[in-house]
Amino acid sequence: EAGVTQFPSHSVIEKGQTVTLRCDPISGHDNLYWYRRVMGKEIKFLLHFVKESKQDESGMPNNRFLAERTGGTYSTLKVQPAELEDSGVYFCASSQVNRAGYTFGSGTRLTVV
Amino acid sequence: DAKTTQPPSMDCAEGRAANLPCNHSTISGNEYVYWYRQIHSQGPQYIIHGLKNNETNEMASLIITEDRKSSTLILPHATLRDTAVYYCIVRGSHFSSGSARQLTFGSGTQLTVLP
Repeated sequence: EAGVTQFPSHSVIEKGQTVTLRCDPISGHDNLYWYRRVMGKEIKFLLHFVKESKQDESGMPNNRFLAERTGGTYSTLKVQPAELEDSGVYFCASSQVNRAGYTFGSGTRLTVV
Repeated sequence: DAKTTQPPSMDCAEGRAANLPCNHSTISGNEYVYWYRQIHSQGPQYIIHGLKNNETNEMASLIITEDRKSSTLILPHATLRDTAVYYCIVRGSHFSSGSARQLTFGSGTQLTVLP
């Protein structure tokens, strides 16, 4: 089966611009998660979807971040406007309902200059 | 904050068993121990999880002490490709909801497998 796909793999944008990250989960996986690692820090949870519904968005840092999962398939994470401290690697993961392990994508490396 | 303590780094000779320890003295009765690893520039990879019994799969074995305050991940025959950061994570059941489902990553253990 295809894994979790994230696009783009790298993005370099200027401060104040908008960037949209995309995640395609494994087909049939209702759970979708976003995590990120900012420079020098640990990997942190951002939010969790079950199908198209946000189950937990307690990790979203502020209202410059907007995640969507229309139709319960792929998800997007938009950062608008981007700030320097948003630089890092953004990971998406998916899992089947009631399955323990997540499958992570390779991440999107975001650099804000 | 992470609820686990791991050594920052370990070395292991290729072909030998790698034993990675983890302390989780504040684990509660309904929390599981999960292990993930991250090979450089890739996303984290699920390895194994357990509640109180020892577990084994094709990748590794997980030994949990009887009091559940610590555990050991065992890679029985380490290869160079096992070089990675290994994360021990305490988390609620995959049947739980809300924040109990979150993975809280700490700093992990950098395992280096030496030729």
